[in-house]
Amino acid sequence: AQSVTQLDSQVPVFEEAPVELRCNYSSSVSVYLFWYVQYPNQGLQLLLKYLSGSTLVESINGFEAEFNKSQTSFHLRKPSVHISDTAEYFCAVSQSNSGYALNFGKGTSLLVTP
Amino acid sequence: GAGVSQSPSNKVTEKGKDVELRCDPISGHTALYWYRQSLGQGLEFLIYFQGNSAPDKSGLPSDRFSAERTGGSVSTLTIQRTQQEDSAVYLCASSLPGLENIQYFGAGTRLSVL
Repeated sequence: AQSVTQLDSQVPVFEEAPVELRCNYSSSVSVYLFWYVQYPNQGLQLLLKYLSGSTLVESINGFEAEFNKSQTSFHLRKPSVHISDTAEYFCAVSQSNSGYALNFGKGTSLLVTP
Repeated sequence: GAGVSQSPSNKVTEKGKDVELRCDPISGHTALYWYRQSLGQGLEFLIYFQGNSAPDKSGLPSDRFSAERTGGSVSTLTIQRTQQEDSAVYLCASSLPGLENIQYFGAGTRLSVL
């Protein structure tokens, strides 16, 4: 069985400051890793994914995440946040050998203030 | 192009009534997924369809929950004899053949059981 832990339920940060949202997973087999973002009253949007290859993945809006197999982590980072980044962020995992169901963390609420 | 469409967007029902939630996936997406998002449990996988068959229905919480998919397109999630603990946002996602790990989500149906 796999599980996903997002260590911070809320992260307040000032505009233009850097941010890191933490995600750890447990699995005995190879995994695929995802970050989804949910803006207020909207559905989930895929932010970035790690399927294979380079362990550092980037999104079009400045976020990046690094797959660290030894630490079983997939932390999300952005060097300078905007007010518009305020949203709920979910880390998700699926296992390579057991179908495609996504197992989500509890989510981290990112609040960016001026 | 159109994204995943879910209807209704909001549904209020009385305890004990049956409800049907509809999902219209992105055209050409052969895989379809249902998830539930609730305050207490977070995001939970319910069922996965490949075409019209459901190879993974391990997440359905009880036999009051069922889902079907016809014509490889629209899916209906049915909850019989609704209970207050069924109140949640029900999310549908779809994906392209061969890219089942990359799931695109609809905006969800918010179900409130009074």
